[in-house]
Amino acid sequence: GNSVTQMEGPVTLSEEAFLTINCTYTATGYPSLFWYVQYPGEGLQLLLKATKADDKGSNKGFEATYRKETTSFHLEKGSVQVSDSAVYFCALSDGTNAGKSTFGDGTTLTVKP
Amino acid sequence: GAGVSQSPRYKVTKRGQDVALRCDPISGHVSLYWYRQALGQGPEFLTYFNYEAQQDKSGLPNDRFSAERPEGSISTLTIQRTEQRDSAMYRCASSLSASGGLSTDTQYFGPGTRLTVL
Repeated sequence: GNSVTQMEGPVTLSEEAFLTINCTYTATGYPSLFWYVQYPGEGLQLLLKATKADDKGSNKGFEATYRKETTSFHLEKGSVQVSDSAVYFCALSDGTNAGKSTFGDGTTLTVKP
Repeated sequence: GAGVSQSPRYKVTKRGQDVALRCDPISGHVSLYWYRQALGQGPEFLTYFNYEAQQDKSGLPNDRFSAERPEGSISTLTIQRTEQRDSAMYRCASSLSASGGLSTDTQYFGPGTRLTVL
């Protein structure tokens, strides 16, 4: 079956530091890949997505590139802010039944001023 | 307009009781999804609907769990004869377009229902 493995947290960074959260996946077919973010006290919301190999998703300074050869979708941001403190989830949609999604266990990021 | 709403937000029940969790999707959204999330883990897919048709229920853990969306809008997830292991956050999401095959749309999540089975 499909699976998503995320870098374990928690991750603590100082403001303006570089962020990488690793995500690798196992899937059949042609999955789409997603990063969701959950801010404290809020629900999950889509941060960015990529639907095919070599696509780059980007939003709010975050980026991730769909790497089929390494089955990875690592999240990066060049300079984090305190407001980026949240839980980040990597996810994929099934390659043949796209309504069915698989999520990683989440990585908690804390950014200190 | 309003986002996805779920009710109740918190539910405490005794083992063996039935519970019904409600999801009200964004108006006009075709697809509706149910997930279960244990503490410290990511959401786990349960089932999803396009309009009123249940497309995939492979994630429902056993036959005590069922879901319906009779008019293609509000959905109810029912858990019969609850057990302590059913305690979790139950999340609902909706998307504008129908999902299936290679196609899926952005999912918008509700705040979740925290279920505690004593």
